[in-house]
Amino acid sequence: AQSVAQPEDQVNVAEGNPLTVKCTYSVSGNPYLFWYVQYPNRGLQFLLKYITGDNLVKGSYGFEAEFNKSQTSFHLKKPSALVSDSALYFCAVRANNNDMRFGAGTRLTVKP
Amino acid sequence: NAGVTQTPKFQVLKTGQSMTLQCAQDMNHEYMSWYRQDPGMGLRLIHYSVGAGITDQGEVPNGYNVSRSTTEDFPLRLLSAAPSQTSVYFCASRDRWNTEAFFGQGTRLTVV
Repeated sequence: AQSVAQPEDQVNVAEGNPLTVKCTYSVSGNPYLFWYVQYPNRGLQFLLKYITGDNLVKGSYGFEAEFNKSQTSFHLKKPSALVSDSALYFCAVRANNNDMRFGAGTRLTVKP
Repeated sequence: NAGVTQTPKFQVLKTGQSMTLQCAQDMNHEYMSWYRQDPGMGLRLIHYSVGAGITDQGEVPNGYNVSRSTTEDFPLRLLSAAPSQTSVYFCASRDRWNTEAFFGQGTRLTVV
């Protein structure tokens, strides 16, 4: 069965600094990997995905993520954080079936 | 194009009561899923469907029933609500070709 770990409950960064939100995964076969963001009292919004191809994938709002097969990681990054990036971020993995598994979430706080 | 619509947005139930959470999508997506979100646990898959007439259990199916009589609708039924079912419930859908899921705004359920 697939699983996802987000080792940090909380990440704090200053506005303008780079940010990284970590994710590691476990899955049999080739993984489909995702990042979603959740703002207060809202549903989840899709940010980016890795299916195949380039290990660095670019997504919405300037976010990108790097797939590392040897380390089974898919860390979310942004070169320059904004206060408006403050939200709850979820990493997810899916194998060939429809069973998508989510991490516990990482709360990102960007301080002015 | 409304996307994924969930009703109601909020609900308070007494222990033992039954209710149905509604989910409808207007994107002609084949795949639909129900998740519950609990603090520190991310999203956990309850049930999912890969098409009309086909449903399957996810990670935490106990206490919940689903059916899929049409492509558009995927209701989640609680037959006898328990306080442990207090949670935020999200419905999601995707089509066969797109790997990312689209989420509804959620239903906040409290069982007292």
